[in-house]
Amino acid sequence: DIVMTQGVLPNPVPSGESASITCRSSKSLVYKDGKTYLNWFLQRPGQSPQLLTYWMSTRASGVSDRFSGSGSGTYFTLKISRVRAEDAGVYYCQQVREYPRTFGSGTKLEIK
Amino acid sequence: EVQLVESGGGLVQPGRSMKLSCAASGFTFSNYGMAWVRQAPTKGLEWVATISYDGSSTYYRDSVKGRFTISRDNAKSTLYLQMNSLRSEDTATYYCTREGANAYWGQGTLVTVSS
Repeated sequence: DIVMTQGVLPNPVPSGESASITCRSSKSLVYKDGKTYLNWFLQRPGQSPQLLTYWMSTRASGVSDRFSGSGSGTYFTLKISRVRAEDAGVYYCQQVREYPRTFGSGTKLEIK
Repeated sequence: EVQLVESGGGLVQPGRSMKLSCAASGFTFSNYGMAWVRQAPTKGLEWVATISYDGSSTYYRDSVKGRFTISRDNAKSTLYLQMNSLRSEDTATYYCTREGANAYWGQGTLVTVSS
């Protein structure tokens, strides 16, 4: 199974600052079509997860351009610019390169 | 508007069965692979099973193979998860999800396995 390892944030992050969340996979997530099969989700307190980006860097419909995904085949970053109170929650990376699908353990973002 | 509405959760005794349903609307259900993902109380996300758009292929995590069955009825735009031989470690909120680009999640249904 592909193991997904997420980093920790130095919480709380002041409102208006930037935050970067890291995620590492134990195997390359680049498929033969050239796409990198990595999703980022945000789960706000009491809510279901919401997709932020897919194919490593493509923003999902309706997602603010303050969220940007980047990375290589095994190391990924989700950058949140000008953080706001509504960005608080737990962020998860997920690989959809192969089965079983696997998630990182989550990174909590708190806003000051 | 895309909607995924789960139902069928509740309290069940260990060893018993339960069937979850997910009613989909707002998109062409038969065009998408669908999945179930669960989240134990205060824990992270755990993929459970996926079914292809036409139901011809299914995939499961090892811990539920042979106990859970994912299925779909494209005519009814409904996804199912039949869960047999339930264990305490299956206690979780179960989310119905649309796979692929622009994945979407339902609000979840809580399954509690306890005597």
